[in-house]
Amino acid sequence: DEQLVESGGGLVQPGGSLRLSCAASGFSFSSYEMTWVRQAPGKGLEWVSYIGIHDTYIYYADSVKGRFTISRDNGKNSLYLQMNNLKGEDTAIYYCARMHLNWFGPWGQGALVTVSS
Amino acid sequence: QSVLTQPPSVSGAPGQTVIISCAGSRANIGAGYDVHWYQHLPGTPPKVIIYNDKDRPSGVPDRFSGSKSGTSASLAITGLQAEDEADYYCQSYDSTLGAWVFGGGTKLTAL
Repeated sequence: DEQLVESGGGLVQPGGSLRLSCAASGFSFSSYEMTWVRQAPGKGLEWVSYIGIHDTYIYYADSVKGRFTISRDNGKNSLYLQMNNLKGEDTAIYYCARMHLNWFGPWGQGALVTVSS
Repeated sequence: QSVLTQPPSVSGAPGQTVIISCAGSRANIGAGYDVHWYQHLPGTPPKVIIYNDKDRPSGVPDRFSGSKSGTSASLAITGLQAEDEADYYCQSYDSTLGAWVFGGGTKLTAL
């Protein structure tokens, strides 16, 4: 069964850092592009970041550019999101998702990140 | 303000047909980028129900259908059921932003 499981969420103060992980199983992780999508409380879905199969291509939403870093370890079937200089508006559920050309699926269950003092 | 515009809410009685619109521009839907639709139930991750404008993943009932014309797309749900109550999001790619983009989401209520 194809599965994605996020971890690493939690409460962090403004200006702090957090690293999310996403463990993949049930499919050939190294063959797929991956992405992070978030949903702030009461808001809609927002694409955050994309990484190609071999890190060749990496893209970020303007809202996180320069603060977030996406990476992957194909040997560990894992996707990561390093989040630095966190702001209140970064408070959200963060989902990792596999990409098929330009659509997303499956998605993980999500990791809650709360930025607050 | 989302790049793709959806109505905040739609409703219908069980058995009826509801249509959710997704308006874009020449930088995304109008540029030929495919539109995808997701169903999001509370407490669960989003699930794709239509991809590449009109294709359904296995397991998604044929009551769900997608279409696209010009700079807009639509999701139609026929024979509405109570279990269809959820938030629905359209998604595409925007060449001006260089980003994948979502609509603001539409809350579907089965009356």
